[in-house]
Amino acid sequence: SQQGEEDPQALSIQEGENATMNCSYKTSINNLQWYRQNSGRGLVHLILIRSNEREKHSGRLRVTLDTSKKSSSLLITASRAADTASYFCATDDSSYKLIFGSGTRLLVRP
Amino acid sequence: DAGITQSPRYKITETGRQVTLMCHQTWSHSYMFWYRQDLGHGLRLIYYSAAADITDKGEVSDGYVVSRSKTENFPLTLESATRSQTSVYFCASSESGRNQPQHFGDGTRLSIL
Repeated sequence: SQQGEEDPQALSIQEGENATMNCSYKTSINNLQWYRQNSGRGLVHLILIRSNEREKHSGRLRVTLDTSKKSSSLLITASRAADTASYFCATDDSSYKLIFGSGTRLLVRP
Repeated sequence: DAGITQSPRYKITETGRQVTLMCHQTWSHSYMFWYRQDLGHGLRLIYYSAAADITDKGEVSDGYVVSRSKTENFPLTLESATRSQTSVYFCASSESGRNQPQHFGDGTRLSIL
C-alpha cells in the first residue's frame, strides 16, 4: 500500500525556473523524507522533516509540511539540468519502515 | 568510503531457479532493508532487519527469504523465481531506523524469463 502520493507525476521546466512537487499521505506520521533518484541509480536522501516542523531548508531545497492537510511540498529553486531526476516522498509512521510514493519525474531543459 | 554495494548489478535467470542478491554495507548500520521498484508502484518493502539475526517481513515478502548473520551483509534469496519477481531490487541501510535517512545501493536489475 502506498502512503505518499506525489503530484505531478511528471514536470518539465526550463533551467533557472523553480520546480514544486507535492506529496499527500493518509495516516499520522513521525517524519517525512524526500529522496532523489537519477536514472539507473539508487535513491539519495535529500531532506527529513519531522512532524513538529513546518518548514526546512537545505541549499536550493525548501520543504514544507502541513500535518493538518497531510501534505508536503518540495521546492527546488533556480533549477539546473543536473536536477533532472525522479523525486520521491517517503513517510515514517514511527515503525522505522518508510513507505514511498510513486514519484515525480522532473526534466530540466537546458 | 565504499558505502553500500549490491551485486550483481544485472541478472537474467529462468523461472524456478534460486537467485541470491547480495548487499554489503561498510558503515556498521544497524538497520537494513530490501525494496523492489516497479513501474507504477514506487518502492515496496520486501524485508528489513534491525540487527544481526533479527529480520521481519515487509509489504511484499512472499517468495523471498533473507538472512543476516553479520551486521554488514543482508542477502536476499528468491527461492523459486517467478516472472512476477522481475524488478529492480534496492538494498538500503540506516543508522538507527528512527528519524534517520536511509542510504541506498545502486540496485540489481533482475529479469526472470
